[in-house]
Parts: sequence; C-alpha cells; structure tokens
Amino acid sequence: SQTIHQWPATLVQPVGSPLSLECTVEGTSNPNLYWYRQAAGRGLQLLFYSVGIGQISSEVPQNLSASRPQDRQFILSSKKLLLSDSGFYLCAWSVRTAHYNEQFFGPGTRLTVL
Amino acid sequence: AQSVAQPEDQVNVAEGNPLTVKCTYSVSGNPYLFWYVQYPNRGLQFLLKYITGDNLVKGSYGFEAEFNKSQTSFHLKKPSALVSDSALYFCAVRGSNTGGFKTIFGAGTRLFVKA
Repeated sequence: SQTIHQWPATLVQPVGSPLSLECTVEGTSNPNLYWYRQAAGRGLQLLFYSVGIGQISSEVPQNLSASRPQDRQFILSSKKLLLSDSGFYLCAWSVRTAHYNEQFFGPGTRLTVL
Repeated sequence: AQSVAQPEDQVNVAEGNPLTVKCTYSVSGNPYLFWYVQYPNRGLQFLLKYITGDNLVKGSYGFEAEFNKSQTSFHLKKPSALVSDSALYFCAVRGSNTGGFKTIFGAGTRLFVKA
C-alpha cells in the first residue's frame, strides 16, 4: 500500500531563517506531487505541483520554492521566512495516469514563524 | 478560470438527521469533482468523486454526493448524521480542459453534529 510522509510535524522558526520541509511517498511510482498551504484551518492554497523529477509548476508568487530531486521526494524551501509564511503545509500525491484521480494527503507540517 | 464555492462556513445538524453540505463550481471542460474531509490537525482524506455517468455518487462512511450539471453543483449528503462526522469538509474541482493536474479547493465547510 502507498504511504506519504511529511516531516517535521511541527516547526517554530524565527523571521528571516531558512526553511526546508520534506515529503516522501512510498509504494507508488511516477506520482504527481503537490504542496498546499492551509491558513487558520480553512481553505487550501496550491503552492506547487510536479509531474516529474525536476518539473515544478508554481501557482503563487512568493518567497517559497520547491524541488523534486527524486521521483518520490518533494521538498519545500525558503531562504528567508516571513511572518505570513506561518500555516499548515500539506503534501499530497496522485496517480499520474488520469486527471480524475484523487489526491492522497500527508499528515501535514505546522509552521509557526515568530 | 476554475473556481469552487462552498457557501456555508458552518453547518449544524442533530445526530440522526440528514445532512447536506453545499458546493458549486466553475470549470473549463468536463468537471471532475471531489469531496475530502479533514479532522483536526490532520491531512485531508478522500471521500468520493464524480467523473462521469450516474449523477449520484456513493463514497466512504455512508456519504454520497449528487452532481447537477445545470446548476453546476455537487452537494455532499448523508441520510443520518453521526457525531463522529463532525469535521471540516472540502469540495474540489479539476477540469478536463485544464493543463496539468491542478485542483482547486473550496474554502471548506465546518460540520457540527450535535448528540
């Protein structure tokens, strides 16, 4: 069966510090991968998605970046965090074969920027 | 442009009563529609989806949703609510004509089921 891991689970960082959140998927190959941010326990904002190694689509201009160094690894980074980067970050994957495949979400990382 | 609207921030129902969580959408091409549920401090869990065919879709935990093309709606329903159904529910859409696999999520509806 497939599983998706995110770490760390929680993170408290000062403004201006760097960020690296990691997501890995097990039990599947060639997945689509996604990063979302959820503010205040409500709507999801799509940040990045990837259909293959090194292929990243950015949805929102911001000080965040994403990379996919391996097929089942997706990393969210920032060089300098802002207060507004606080939130709940969710990684997800879907089977690439069709547009109608549902997404499977990781447990999330709660980031607090102070 | 794709969009999803969940007009109710919160829905309150009594246990045992039927529940409905509303969703309307706008998309290019044929819509692929999804419902997800989120429990506190957890990731989202897939409930059900509409691709094509029968307008009534059945999913996990006794939930179902009805696709209405003319009203561009995809409301989530359950005949008899449980206290354990209390959670945050998200409607999502992906269009067959959109590039890539971008999915748009609604703002979410918080469901409270009272015993």
